[in-house]
Order: sequence, then C-alpha cells, then structure tokens
Amino acid sequence: AQSVTQLGSHVSVSEGALVLLRCNYSSSVPPYLFWYVQYPNQGLQLLLKYTSAATLVKGINGFEAEFKKSETSFHLTKPSAHMSDAAEYFCAVTRTSSASKIIFGSGTRLSIRP
Amino acid sequence: GAVVSQHPSRVICKSGTSVKIECRSLDFQATTMFWYRQFPKKSLMLMATSNEGSKATYEQGVEKDKFLINHASLTLSTLTVTSAHPEDSSFYICSASSTGGLDGYTFGSGTRLTVV
Repeated sequence: AQSVTQLGSHVSVSEGALVLLRCNYSSSVPPYLFWYVQYPNQGLQLLLKYTSAATLVKGINGFEAEFKKSETSFHLTKPSAHMSDAAEYFCAVTRTSSASKIIFGSGTRLSIRP
Repeated sequence: GAVVSQHPSRVICKSGTSVKIECRSLDFQATTMFWYRQFPKKSLMLMATSNEGSKATYEQGVEKDKFLINHASLTLSTLTVTSAHPEDSSFYICSASSTGGLDGYTFGSGTRLTVV
C-alpha cells in the first residue's frame, strides 16, 4: 500500500521568507510523487512531479522539491514566499504504472504574513 | 497542455433528487478518470476509478448505488449522485491523464454540491 504524510496542517511564513512544506511517503514499489496546489473552491494544479529521473525537481512558481529515498521524503521548498503563494498544498503518490490511482496527503495550508 | 473541464461548478439541489456532474477531457482521450470527494478543510478522498467502456471500480466504503459513474466515451465521465441528502454536500473533483498517469494527472475545477 502507498501513503503520504504531510507534517503540519498549517504553516505560516513571512513574505520573503523560505517556504518548507514537509512530505514523507511510504511505498512498497518505486513511487511517483507529486505536489499540487489548490486555491479556494478550485481544482488542483500540478506544481511539480518526481518520476524517477532527477532527484531535485523544479516546478512552477519557483517551487522545487528533492526526492530523498533514504529519508522517504519529498519536501517542497521555495526560497522566497510571495503573498500569492497562500493556498492549500497536497503531496501525492502513485505507482509507477499506467493509470494508477493517486493517493493524497492530508494537505498543508500555507499562510503568508505581510 | 491537457485540460479537464468539469461542469457544473456549483449546484444546489433538493433532498431526494439526483444530480449529474460531468468531467470532460478537452484535448486528449482518457481511458481512465478518477473521482474524488473533498470535505471542508480536508484532503481529497478517492471515490472511484472510472474506466471507459466498463464498470467503475469503487473504493471501500463508497456506495456504488448512490454514486453512479458512467464512462461512455474516451472524453467523458459522469458522476450521478442519486437521491441526494444533505450529507452528500461536498466538493467533487475529477481527474484524468493523457499519459496514463505517468506525467501526473490533470484535475477539473471541481463541483460544489449543496443539498438542501
């Protein structure tokens, strides 16, 4: 079975500060990992994905994440937070096979202080 | 890029009636689509996997007679909430992939269902 755990349901940072959202995964097979962002009353937008190529993955809006197999982690970072980054962020995992279902973490709400 | 259109974005219905939600892949064919339910301030819960031309696969605890899924074509899947009750009020989201999920999934914009 696969699962992801997001540490911290709510993270608050100051504008311009480093953003770090934590995600740990559990998978008995090589995983594909994703980070999605959701704005209120909207669907999910893919930020970035790890699909067994480079372990450091760069995504949209200045976000990046590093796959660390030894730590079973896939933490999301951004060097400098913007007010527009305030949203809900979901880490997700799926199997490395076609049409596998995606399992989501519980989500982390990111707030940005002026 | 791949676009998934979900309609309606918001619907209010009376208790006991049925509501249909559509999920369309606009520029690609999707043999598999997924339906999720999201409670306020909660994560997405996978309800079922919709397979074109065959029966949907429901997750444990999801009533298949309550949530009817039809995937009649490679670009359209529908979710029908039958005999809706207030506890069915939620945010429903579909997703699909043009690459079988290997590059991630594209999500619809969601449907806010309110049963009164």
